[in-house]
Amino acid sequence: AAGVIQSPRHLIKEKRETATLKCYPIPRHDTVYWYQQGPGQDPQFLISFYEKMQSDKGSIPDRFSAQQFSDYHSELNMSSLELGDSALYFCASSFGTGQETQYFGPGTRLLVL
Amino acid sequence: AQKITQTQPGMFVQEKEAVTLDCTYDTSDPSYGLFWYKQPSSGEMIFLIYQGSYDQQNATEGRYSLNFQKARKSANLVISASQLGDSAMYFCAMREPLGGNYQLIWGAGTKLIIKP
Repeated sequence: AAGVIQSPRHLIKEKRETATLKCYPIPRHDTVYWYQQGPGQDPQFLISFYEKMQSDKGSIPDRFSAQQFSDYHSELNMSSLELGDSALYFCASSFGTGQETQYFGPGTRLLVL
Repeated sequence: AQKITQTQPGMFVQEKEAVTLDCTYDTSDPSYGLFWYKQPSSGEMIFLIYQGSYDQQNATEGRYSLNFQKARKSANLVISASQLGDSAMYFCAMREPLGGNYQLIWGAGTKLIIKP
């Protein structure tokens, strides 16, 4: 079965640079979630989109923005990167925003030097 | 306030033994969902099992079962006949309302190591 696809899988950036992470949800899933997981920590919810509109916002810094496109893929844009942004960034998708299970992608591992 | 508590930071278990990973939760919402995810060292987050608050029976998925005790607000994961490939971090998560929709609240995780 098709899973959530994230690209790139690994990314190295320097401080103050920008990064764009991409997420392709499971086919027919209309909701995308972004999470940030620091080393040794549990995932922290950043933001979610339902039917191409932002549905909820968590602890996403103002330097980050995201959107969901007409084909339901989503991009997380990160600017003025800081060392503390180094983390594993997960995208998850579900069908609807109610009781449905979120299925996670493999993650993008971002290292900011 | 901590909403998901996993009291076992790490566990060693002998291969082929059963293992129980603890999870307690706190919510005042009558409708909620509880999830277990597995995160191997490779980093991906793998969905294992789901229990809805109104489900009458404990959820089961292959070797995974969820011991749901609603009055005690616990949702322990039981893995029967553990295998070396079960070594991973295990996260308990709860879905709760956020605005008009839902978000996942996560526990700190339990690192499970299966010994041969």
